[in-house]
Amino acid sequence: AQSVTQPDIHITVSEGASLELRCNYSYGATPYLFWYVQSPGQGLQLLLKYFSGDTLVQGIKGFEAEFKRSQSSFNLRKPSVHWSDAAEYFCAVGGFGTGRRALTFGSGTRLQVQP
Amino acid sequence: DAEITQSPRHKITETGRQVTLACHQTWNHNNMFWYRQDLGHGLRLIHYSYGVQDTNKGEVSDGYSVSRSNTEDLPLTLESAASSQTSVYFCASSDRGLGEAFFGQGTRLTVV
Repeated sequence: AQSVTQPDIHITVSEGASLELRCNYSYGATPYLFWYVQSPGQGLQLLLKYFSGDTLVQGIKGFEAEFKRSQSSFNLRKPSVHWSDAAEYFCAVGGFGTGRRALTFGSGTRLQVQP
Repeated sequence: DAEITQSPRHKITETGRQVTLACHQTWNHNNMFWYRQDLGHGLRLIHYSYGVQDTNKGEVSDGYSVSRSNTEDLPLTLESAASSQTSVYFCASSDRGLGEAFFGQGTRLTVV
């Protein structure tokens, strides 16, 4: 069965500092990986996705993520955090094939940004 | 613009009542999903559909049902609401194959 682990429940960074959110996955085939962001009271917005090819993917709002197959990881990074980045971030995994098109989500990491 | 809408946004119901949450998408997506979001659990899959007349159980399907009579709608029914079903419910859709999932704004359901 597929699963996603986000080890950090809550992270606090200072505005302007760099950010890395961790994500580890378990999947029996080539995974399709996603990062979503959720602002309070809102739905989820896609930040970026990895399907194949270049293991470093760029997303919206200055975010990037690196797929490392050997480590089963897909960590999200941003070089300089803005106060508006405070939100909850979810990593998700999915794939082709019957039963694999539904995404499995991690439990989320809540990001707090200090001025 | 295409979108996915959920209604109602907030609902309070009593234990034992039947409740239906609506989800409507104008993306013309084949895949539709229902998730519930609870603190510490992230989003957990309740039911999903890959097309008209197709429905499948997800990780936490007990007490819930769905039906897919057209491409645009996937209503979620709680047969007999329980306090454990107090949660925020999200509907999502994606294109055939695997594209990213697009989410509605969520429905906050409270069962008292």
